[in-house]
Order: sequence, then C-alpha cells, then structure tokens
Amino acid sequence: EAGVAQSPRYKIIEKRQSVAFWCNPISGHATLYWYQQILGQGPKLLIQFQNNGVVDDSQLPKDRFSAERLKGVDSTLKIQPAKLEDSAVYLCASSFSGAEAFFGQGTRLTVV
Amino acid sequence: GEDVEQSLFLSVREGDSSVINCTYTDSSSTYLYWYKQEPGAGLQLLTYIFSNMDMKQDQRLTVLLNKKDKHLSLRIADTQTGDSAIYFCAENTAEDTDKLIFGTGTRLQVFP
Repeated sequence: EAGVAQSPRYKIIEKRQSVAFWCNPISGHATLYWYQQILGQGPKLLIQFQNNGVVDDSQLPKDRFSAERLKGVDSTLKIQPAKLEDSAVYLCASSFSGAEAFFGQGTRLTVV
Repeated sequence: GEDVEQSLFLSVREGDSSVINCTYTDSSSTYLYWYKQEPGAGLQLLTYIFSNMDMKQDQRLTVLLNKKDKHLSLRIADTQTGDSAIYFCAENTAEDTDKLIFGTGTRLQVFP
C-alpha cells in the first residue's frame, strides 16, 4: 500500500512570508496528525484530525498556524506569517486504529 | 505532566548488542513505541508494546517494559551499521485522542 505522501520536500522562505504544506494520508486512515520536529528534538504534535474534525490542536500557535482537512482525506498546514523559529521539519502521519501511526518523509522548512 | 526522556547518544561496535533506554511519566499510557529515523527521512515504526505486557520480541529487537519504574528499553541484537539512526520512544496518552508524546531521541552510532 502507498505510504503517507507529503509535499514539498523542502521549502526556503523569508520571515513574514506565507507557506503551505500538503499531506495525503494512507487510504482509509481516519486519523491524521501534523507534527513539528525542530532540529535535535523529538516531534511535537501540532494538530490531530479525526476524519475532518479537529481532535487536538492545543499546541498549535493559532495566531500564525492553521490547518484543514477537507472531506476527511488530504490536509494542508499553513503558516502565515512565518518566523525564524518555525524552521523545522513538518511531519504528517496517519493511523487507522490509533495503535500504529505511519509517517511521511516530512517537509523541511527553512525560514531566513 | 507528559514527559519522555532518553539519553542522547549511544555508540556500539558492529555485532554487539545495543540497549536504548527511555523513561516516561504517564502511567496510564496504553501503548509505548519505538521509532527509527534515518537522516533526511520520516519516522519508521519499529515496534510497539501494549502496556499490559512486560516484553516483546521481534527478530533482532527486544522491548522490555517496567511499568512500576515507567522504564522502556529497546535491545538490538547483532547491531549492524545500517542500524545507525536516531531512535525515538513515544507514549500514547491515556486520553481518547491517541496523541503520541515523543522523547528527544537517542542517536545510535555503529562503528566497525
């Protein structure tokens, strides 16, 4: 089966610009996660969807980050405006039952 | 609170066993996981253990869980150079959200 697809793989933007990331989860997986992984740290959950509803967005900086999962399949994560400290790898993951989460390769964002 | 801790580095000789340790705080976690991350790649689920188990073995991997001490370990037998990577332990929180809390990761370096 195909894995979790993410695009783009890399993105370089200037601070205060906007950026969007896209994720296509594994077919049939109802749960979708966006994680932020800063260099040298473990992934931190930003937002979790169950189908097209938000389950947990307690650690999402809502003044600049937004995410949506229209139709309960693909998802986009947006940052507007970006700050230097947003430089990180943004990982998308999906799961069917919650016991196993499968991760995409991530999008590496560099804000200069 | 939610906190998962790991030692930062481990260096072993090829053919030896590696033991990566992790401590967690949420005693009501349902599952505990080990993920592997190679450079520039996403996270690969290696194995997971249900919280009512003490041990799980999967080929070269052995997971030990001490619930009393909230200690999880991953033993890799006959470590190979291809095992060089960052290993993350993660706990599944007790809430219904199936949120994964990751440790900071242990960088395993295997030398010939």
